[in-house]
Amino acid sequence: GAVVSQHPSRVICKSGTSVKIECRSLDFQATTMFWYRQFPKQSLMLMATSNEGSKATYEQGVEKDKFLINHASLTLSTLTVTSAHPEDSSFYICSANEGWSTEAFFGQGTRLTVV
Amino acid sequence: GESVGLHLPTLSVQEGDNSIINCAYSNSASDYFIWYKQESGKGPQFIIDIRSNMDKRQGQRVTVLLNKTVKHLSLQIAATQPGDSAVYFCAENINQAGTALIFGKGTTLSVSS
Repeated sequence: GAVVSQHPSRVICKSGTSVKIECRSLDFQATTMFWYRQFPKQSLMLMATSNEGSKATYEQGVEKDKFLINHASLTLSTLTVTSAHPEDSSFYICSANEGWSTEAFFGQGTRLTVV
Repeated sequence: GESVGLHLPTLSVQEGDNSIINCAYSNSASDYFIWYKQESGKGPQFIIDIRSNMDKRQGQRVTVLLNKTVKHLSLQIAATQPGDSAVYFCAENINQAGTALIFGKGTTLSVSS
């Protein structure tokens, strides 16, 4: 099946700094990528939909200036957590759909810890 | 052991038993459903999917049942193995290009030898 690579898998950063997470589709072109957030023992919550070449669509309650999304190519979307705070510590997961397919392929997730 | 009907956050079974994990979905317009398995610290892993024009689909050791009348989805795992221990999520989608999967509450399956 198609492979989505997410990097880094783990990151620890200091409060106030920014962290960038990359999501790459390795063997297919992804018109649309999705970013999810998962707190311990909870489900995946959709944060935003990332569309190649256009602005991301954010879910209600997700601050777009806090979570910057860039989808500059058909194989790469990035999520930047700006001015990170301890409450931003979470597991961030991306998924990508090949072309206009509804089948989603998930990255392995990024564990962000803000200290 | 097995659970039928209501969603349970945890399910404990003995190796070799059949497991049933339930999920209630929310959107009556959803027409594509997927079960995922998630191991600790990893992303979701696809198990099986079903479209709304079907009520049952079988894979290797797994079966998904869909009841659109009551908006209920279930995952049956035959001869459960210790390696099946994980958190299982159902996800729904309106089968439209560019739309995201919406995940349900997970069920933690624990399989003891």
